[in-house]
Amino acid sequence: QSVLTQPPSVSGAPGQRVTISCTGSSSNIGAGYDVHWYQQLPGTAPKLLIYGNSDRPSGVPDRFSGSKSGTSASLAITGLQAEDEADYYCQSSDSSLSASYVFGTGTKVTVL
Amino acid sequence: EVQLLESGGGLVQPGGSLRLSCAASGFIFSDYAMSWVRQAPGKGLEWVSLISGSGGHTFYADSVKGRFTISRDNSKNTLYLQMNSLRAEDTAVYYCAKERGQLLANYFMDVWGKGTTVTVSS
Repeated sequence: QSVLTQPPSVSGAPGQRVTISCTGSSSNIGAGYDVHWYQQLPGTAPKLLIYGNSDRPSGVPDRFSGSKSGTSASLAITGLQAEDEADYYCQSSDSSLSASYVFGTGTKVTVL
Repeated sequence: EVQLLESGGGLVQPGGSLRLSCAASGFIFSDYAMSWVRQAPGKGLEWVSLISGSGGHTFYADSVKGRFTISRDNSKNTLYLQMNSLRAEDTAVYYCAKERGQLLANYFMDVWGKGTTVTVSS
């Protein structure tokens, strides 16, 4: 069971804006650790989408943006496109666990 | 082009062993920490283990500690995961990933391999 909680699913029509929350606690996101986001298209390996809370690797469209506040983080997708239909995972560290890194529970984005 | 290619997956009986490999290319392998991440069928991602660039520091998830060993051969640009005492719950796709970042606690995985499938079943 993950210590980072995400909604199981979100959906939106093409062109709309959707947000995915990643809720943690004072031992992970609230402790100041960075949050990173990954996109996993069906049947493929995960791909880095956002790092360091809000930075985008080269090649990632600026439709994707990340933010962090308190014990939570969010990923926003504006101008939703059909190819954005995928699973999205947040990731951070947790000082209460011996495991170095933790992933969120994952969110399935459906484009209606 | 930076590439990671996993191999070594397969079907193994409970209690058995398997060694996964990850061949790296396109970057200075010894400069970067590396991780293994797994994904059980229909489930989310689970971080398994990390090794520093020199190989001198290793970290494990509680679920595999004492059973799995991560290692690397920088002369061969290859990462390994030795898996012993395998259980049904270890069944998953195993990905290797290149780590990046300034501080260990804030590392992120910027390049992923395609994965190799491990099935633990009798």
